[in-house]
Amino acid sequence: DVKVTQSSRYLVKRTGEKVFLECVQDMDHENMFWYRQDPGLGLRLIYFSYDVKMKEKGDIPEGYSVSREKKERFSLILESASTNQTSMYLCASSWLGARETQYFGPGTRLLVL
Amino acid sequence: AQSVTQLDSHVSVSEGTPVLLRCNYSSSYSPSLFWYVQHPNKGLQLLLKYTSAATLVKGINGFEAEFKKSETSFHLTKPSAHMSDAAEYFCVVAMNSGYSTLTFGKGTMLLVSP
Repeated sequence: DVKVTQSSRYLVKRTGEKVFLECVQDMDHENMFWYRQDPGLGLRLIYFSYDVKMKEKGDIPEGYSVSREKKERFSLILESASTNQTSMYLCASSWLGARETQYFGPGTRLLVL
Repeated sequence: AQSVTQLDSHVSVSEGTPVLLRCNYSSSYSPSLFWYVQHPNKGLQLLLKYTSAATLVKGINGFEAEFKKSETSFHLTKPSAHMSDAAEYFCVVAMNSGYSTLTFGKGTMLLVSP
């Protein structure tokens, strides 16, 4: 059974803190994605990666960075958290040849105070 | 450029009645279209996808969608709603050419009453 796990379901951080969100998939997928989900806005792509050490900006990369040192792990980093980064963060993965069919993790709900 | 518009933010139906969730798309290239579902406190799950084969696509749990190029629509339907269908539904578009990413609509919350 396909599985994408995210390190935390809920996270509370203070403004200015450095925040790491971790995502691991066990399906040997090449592609991995980070989205944020906000009410009334749907999902917006932050960054994605199609190979180890490769990354591409999505629609809203400002204030975020990513790291992919191993194929199964894709990290989202908030260098200096701000209150407008309070959101639900979703990780997803897919095979290179079927990039449209993405498998999603359960999400991390981040609150920045 | 590509985009999707979900025409209703909320749809309310009674159990046993038909479901219609509307989606219009815009794409410069021949698109692939998808519907994803998100149940409360769960991750998103692929419901069905259209990738230029048959225009009527069947998905899981009795849902289907029809690709209508002339209307640029990809509406999701189900003949008879079940309480377990209550969830948020996202219409999604991807271009078929090049390395494309998914563009999500803003979502439609389906409410099912007994």
